[in-house]
Amino acid sequence: EAGVTQSPTHLIKTRGQQATLRCSPISGHTSVYWYQQALGLGLQFLLWYDEGEERNRGNFPPRFSGRQFPNYSSELNVNALELEDSALYLCASSFQPVDEQFFGPGTRLTVL
Amino acid sequence: QKEVEQNSGPLSVPEGAIASLNCTYSDRGSQSFFWYRQYSGKSPELIMFIYSNGDKEDGRFTAQLNKASQYVSLLIRDSQPSDSATYLCAVNILSNSGYALNFGKGTSLLVTP
Repeated sequence: EAGVTQSPTHLIKTRGQQATLRCSPISGHTSVYWYQQALGLGLQFLLWYDEGEERNRGNFPPRFSGRQFPNYSSELNVNALELEDSALYLCASSFQPVDEQFFGPGTRLTVL
Repeated sequence: QKEVEQNSGPLSVPEGAIASLNCTYSDRGSQSFFWYRQYSGKSPELIMFIYSNGDKEDGRFTAQLNKASQYVSLLIRDSQPSDSATYLCAVNILSNSGYALNFGKGTSLLVTP
């Protein structure tokens, strides 16, 4: 069974640009979650999508947004990039919201 | 803010010993609890999950949950150098805005040969 996949592996942008990160969940999983892991700050919950709808978001500004497609894959968009957005962005999926979440390999975003 | 607290470590144990990792959480409404292992530069890997009070064993790993004390722990028996990693405790909570998985900052474990 294929795990959660994410692309790209690495992304380098300059301040003010936009970044788009992509995630494909495990087959059969309808919930997709996004997390930010910045150095020294631990894993911070960003967004939760289920059945195409945004169900919950963490304490992040509106320039962090995303969507979930009919095939349950998801996209995270970060607008007006700031230096402190540099982090590992992790996508996870689960069968149901209360279930265990499985993580993808992450996208390392560097903002210069 | 619903907190998940872990001792950052590093926790150093000799090979073959039992490693004990602890986690406390603040939200009494928490429903499910998870332990993840994260090697440096890699994504978190699920080790155990537990929903009910008591112990749950899986191979060398035992998760313990005490909801009254708001405490969850992970025991690793016969620790191996390959167990050296950061262990993340995660607590799934349901708020008015929906589910969210809150992570502790992790405990660094070092198993010495």
